[in-house]
Amino acid sequence: AAGVIQSPRHLIKEKRETATLKCYPIPRHDTVYWYQQGPGQDPQFLISFYEKMQSDKGSIPDRFSAQQFSDYHSELNMSSLELGDSALYFCASSPENYRGLRTDTQYFGPGTRLTVL
Amino acid sequence: GQQLNQSPQSMFIQEGEDVSMNCTSSSIFNTWLWYKQDPGEGPVLLIALYKAGELTSNGRLTAQFGITRKDSFLNISASIPSDVGIYFCAGLPLTGTASKLTFGTGTRLQVTL
Repeated sequence: AAGVIQSPRHLIKEKRETATLKCYPIPRHDTVYWYQQGPGQDPQFLISFYEKMQSDKGSIPDRFSAQQFSDYHSELNMSSLELGDSALYFCASSPENYRGLRTDTQYFGPGTRLTVL
Repeated sequence: GQQLNQSPQSMFIQEGEDVSMNCTSSSIFNTWLWYKQDPGEGPVLLIALYKAGELTSNGRLTAQFGITRKDSFLNISASIPSDVGIYFCAGLPLTGTASKLTFGTGTRLQVTL
C-alpha cells in the first residue's frame, strides 16, 4: 500500500540557512500534520492542514512556515536555522473518512533528518 | 506539551515471552492509537481504537480502549527479536478536527534470545 513520502530523507545545513521539507500524503488523504522529534523524545506537533487551510498550530517557531498545495502535498519552510533545529521531522496524513466517519488516524512518513551545523 | 503516562519506560524480555504496556491520561480521548518506531524511522501504526471498550487484535498484538476513555493497553504475545523498538501510545481528543496527537512517553522494548 502507498505510504507517506517525505523528501529529502537527510539534510545538512549551516546555521542561518534555510531548508524546505516536502511531504506527499497517502492518496485520498486530505489532512497533513508536521511533527518534530528530538533524540529520545516523542514527536512534538508543529502544524496541520486540512483541505489546504491551516487547521491547528502547535509549538512551531515563527521562523518556520508551512502550506498545503492543491494536490495535497505540503512543504515546511524553515529559515534562520539554529543548532537546536536539528531533529527528525515527520509528516503524517489522515484520510477523509473511515466507515463514513472522520477519524484523524494519522499515518507517518519515514521522516527527514535535519542536521544544522 | 501534554503527554500521556506510559509504562513501563523500558522492558528487557526473553524471546517467546508476552509483553504488556499501558497508557493513562487525565483527559478523555475519542481515539487511541499504538505506534512502533525503529531508530531513525517514522512511527508505524500498529492498532487504532475508536470505541470505548473496544478490543482489537493485529496478529500477535492486542490492544484495548479503556471503558473510561482515559486509558489503553497493548499486549504482544510470544515476542520475537524483531519486536525490538519503541512503542508509543497516542490519543486524539476529538475527531473531525485534524487534531494533533498527544503521545505517550514511549516504552523501549528489548528482546533477548
